[in-house]
Amino acid sequence: GENVEQHPSTLSVQEGDSAVIKCTYSDSASNYFPWYKQELGKGPQLIIDIRSNVGEKKDQRIAVTLNKTAKHFSLHITETQPEDSAVYFCAASRNAGKSTFGDGTTLTVKP
Amino acid sequence: NAGVTQTPKFQVLKTGQSMTLQCAQDMNHNSMYWYRQDPGMGLRLIYYSASEGTTDKGEVPNGYNVSRLNKREFSLRLESAAPSQTSVYFCAGNPGGGNSPLHFGNGTRLTVT
Repeated sequence: GENVEQHPSTLSVQEGDSAVIKCTYSDSASNYFPWYKQELGKGPQLIIDIRSNVGEKKDQRIAVTLNKTAKHFSLHITETQPEDSAVYFCAASRNAGKSTFGDGTTLTVKP
Repeated sequence: NAGVTQTPKFQVLKTGQSMTLQCAQDMNHNSMYWYRQDPGMGLRLIYYSASEGTTDKGEVPNGYNVSRLNKREFSLRLESAAPSQTSVYFCAGNPGGGNSPLHFGNGTRLTVT
């Protein structure tokens, strides 16, 4: 089955700096790669996703890049703010409902 | 429009007790899922229901059963709780059939002593 590895497990940045979280996957047939943000006491919430026919996608301060050849994808957050502090999960799937998740990255943005 | 609603929010069980975690969605999702979240282990799929009337095992189904009661409701049952089932349980839904994101509830925190 699919295996997703996510790094780093914890990340601390100063407000205004950029943050990058990286994931690798094993199943070359995976074609959907969402990123979720989980705040304390809540369920994960989609922040951005990318499909295998696209190399990069951007939404304001958040961007995701995908390298299908190398089987890795990354989340980039620019101009970080304290409210970006949360746990971030990457996932990969052939079918979105049976996603395999990374183990999560705890991002702390220090004011 | 509540999205995906899970009850209860918290539960403490003794080893061997049984309980049912409830999940309901008002988003007209075809597919529903149960995940468990443990520290440092991400989210692992327990069971899912691709459509009303069907259920299938996920990655970690042992010790659990599910019922897709109707399109809106998908319950998870622990027949004889064990300490290893101490976890946070999330229900999720999506339209199914193609690549679409999961919509999660806010979880049930279960402790088995």
